[in-house]
Amino acid sequence: RKEVEQDPGPFNVPEGATVAFNCTYSNSASQSFFWYRQDCRKEPKLLMSVYSSGNEDGRFTAQLNRASQYISLLIRDSKLSDSATYLCVVNAQSGYNKLIFGAGTRLAVHP
Amino acid sequence: DAGVTQSPTHLIKTRGQQVTLRCSPKSGHDTVSWYQQALGQGPQFIFQYYEEEERQRGNFPDRFSGHQFPNYSSELNVNALLLGDSALYLCASSQGQGGETQYFGPGTRLLVL
Repeated sequence: RKEVEQDPGPFNVPEGATVAFNCTYSNSASQSFFWYRQDCRKEPKLLMSVYSSGNEDGRFTAQLNRASQYISLLIRDSKLSDSATYLCVVNAQSGYNKLIFGAGTRLAVHP
Repeated sequence: DAGVTQSPTHLIKTRGQQVTLRCSPKSGHDTVSWYQQALGQGPQFIFQYYEEEERQRGNFPDRFSGHQFPNYSSELNVNALLLGDSALYLCASSQGQGGETQYFGPGTRLLVL
């Protein structure tokens, strides 16, 4: 079983749609959680951290359920510029910075 | 404020050769981590350098080695290249060994023929 699992997609949605990505992780001792965005042939960039209380940044909302070891990302009012691969990321060890990435979920937003 | 830089951007090697990739961390950062990203996959952690020592290592063979210099820049060396080593190699920097926010460089795309 992979340490971080994501639906690979692709998700093809029209502009303005709401889309949700899910992710599960296997290590219950995981400490920190993130969503990164990666554009084609570019480096990953931090989109947002994920907290147990849930957090929102504009059109993006992230949720963490530690009991179910489940992370989600909701994108509202999708824009063409949201087209990218979204990587679910877990930092497994407190005091260290070893990021474990999922394989990514591809999103394509069309006019 | 310069971000993370990597060189070269692209590289073509043949099986059995050796390669050295370079990374300069973001200003103010002292920790460098290296990742390998194969096509269609997420990045895989190779190792992390802090205070010029390898602090953590992922599931990669000894053919993968590295170094960190006093100015915090780092090198990744891969010996006896295999076709399967073809990938995007990403360097990420952070502040402190446990600093959570990692900033990635643009990567070096390695093709092994």
